[in-house]
Amino acid sequence: EAQVTQNPRYLITVTGKKLTVTCSQNMNHEYMSWYRQDPGLGLRQIYYSMNVEVTDKGDVPEGYKVSRKEKRNFPLILESPSPNQTSLYFCASSLGGARAPLHFGNGTRLTVT
Amino acid sequence: GQNIDQPTEMTATEGAIVQINCTYQTSGFNGLFWYQQHAGEAPTFLSYNVLDGLEEKGRFSSFLSRSKGYSYLLLKELQMKDSASYLCASNTGGFKTIFGAGTRLFVKA
Repeated sequence: EAQVTQNPRYLITVTGKKLTVTCSQNMNHEYMSWYRQDPGLGLRQIYYSMNVEVTDKGDVPEGYKVSRKEKRNFPLILESPSPNQTSLYFCASSLGGARAPLHFGNGTRLTVT
Repeated sequence: GQNIDQPTEMTATEGAIVQINCTYQTSGFNGLFWYQQHAGEAPTFLSYNVLDGLEEKGRFSSFLSRSKGYSYLLLKELQMKDSASYLCASNTGGFKTIFGAGTRLFVKA
C-alpha cells in the first residue's frame, strides 16, 4: 500500500531534550516536506527536500533540522525543543512539480513541557 | 505578502449543497488545491485547478478565477461523513505550497 509513515504518533517531552520524528514514504517520491499545524494558522511549511541531499527552508524553519540521506526517509530533528514547538506535525511527499498533490503521513502530536 | 483566506466554520444540512470560498494573494501561482481533513487525521487531496473554470469530480466540484484570486469548493448531496475541515492551498511556484487555515464544515441531519 502506498503510504507515508510517521513515527511516533504522540510524543511528550521536556524542554531541551533532543528528539527525532521519522518519516518514510514507499512511493519513490522525489519531493518531501514537513509541516506544522496550529489552530487558526493552518499548515505551515518547516523544511522541504527536492531530492537526496537537497533541502531548503520553508516558512518556519527556526528550531528544526532535517536530513535527506535516502530518497524514502526525511526525519525532522528538534535539537533543543521548546514549548512553542508544541504542535501537530505532518510529513508529506509528492512526485514533485506544481500539479502533484501532497500525500500526508498520519501526523505526530508533540507536546513540549 | 502571501495570504489565503477562507471562512473558519460553516454549517449545512444533509442532502444540501454547500460552497466553501477561498481567496488568495500569493507572489506566484501555479495552481490551487483543495484538501479534506477529518478530525485527527491527515489531509487528503480533493482537487487541483490551474485554469479558470469548473472541475467536476463526482459530488465535489472546484472552481477557479485567476484574475480574481478566487476559488470555491462545491459539495453536493451532503452526507454526514462530509463533516471535516477543507483546506485551500496555493502552489506558489517551485516547491512551495501555502495553505489557508481551513474551513470546518458541520453537516447536520
